[in-house]
Amino acid sequence: DAGITQSPRYKITETGRQVTLMCHQTWSHSYMFWYRQDLGHGLRLIYYSAAADITDKGEVPDGYVVSRSKTENFPLTLESATRSQTSVYFCASSLSLNEKLFFGSGTQLSVL
Amino acid sequence: EDQVTQSPEALRLQEGESSSLNCSYTVSGLRGLFWYRQDPGKGPEFLFTLYSAGEEKEKERLKATLTKKESFLHITAPKPEDSATYLCAVQTAGGYQKVTFGTGTKLQVIP
Repeated sequence: DAGITQSPRYKITETGRQVTLMCHQTWSHSYMFWYRQDLGHGLRLIYYSAAADITDKGEVPDGYVVSRSKTENFPLTLESATRSQTSVYFCASSLSLNEKLFFGSGTQLSVL
Repeated sequence: EDQVTQSPEALRLQEGESSSLNCSYTVSGLRGLFWYRQDPGKGPEFLFTLYSAGEEKEKERLKATLTKKESFLHITAPKPEDSATYLCAVQTAGGYQKVTFGTGTKLQVIP
């Protein structure tokens, strides 16, 4: 099916481990984003990408790394997971900078 | 610092009981205001974009309005399937996509 897909849906890991969350979109949207959603906070931008090989920090980038070698993929890596990174992570894409966002179904990550 | 505040945090309505959700914002240089709907366990789904004060958009039982300080999402004669969390987001001018999300209003419509 066309759209934006995230994997895994659920992930449990331990502190200090490296974790990669995957995001794939089939629309050829230029912009892709990673958000985290926590109780009491709105969605917060971690990183975004304007095109392949172009990425930039958002509001809460510390502890995260992204790459975008292909337009359709935008993986998010937690280099050394911490408990504070327990959250629901959403990948999103948009056609251009000022357009509406299309979200994936999210990855629920628990860091023990 | 850009701020977006949604109220109420939660709202319980009887089926058919109309009401409004509020999104107030303090930002510099509003580019657009977005409304999204989020069902449990899913990502937000786009509803509306409003760009200037006085603008209104409608979709089925939902109507969004915008002033210089706030936006309302009016729900007319809601049905149980309208139960969801409604998120407001504002986009401002910036070097990257500067979108600030509110924490949402959780709406429950009871049959």
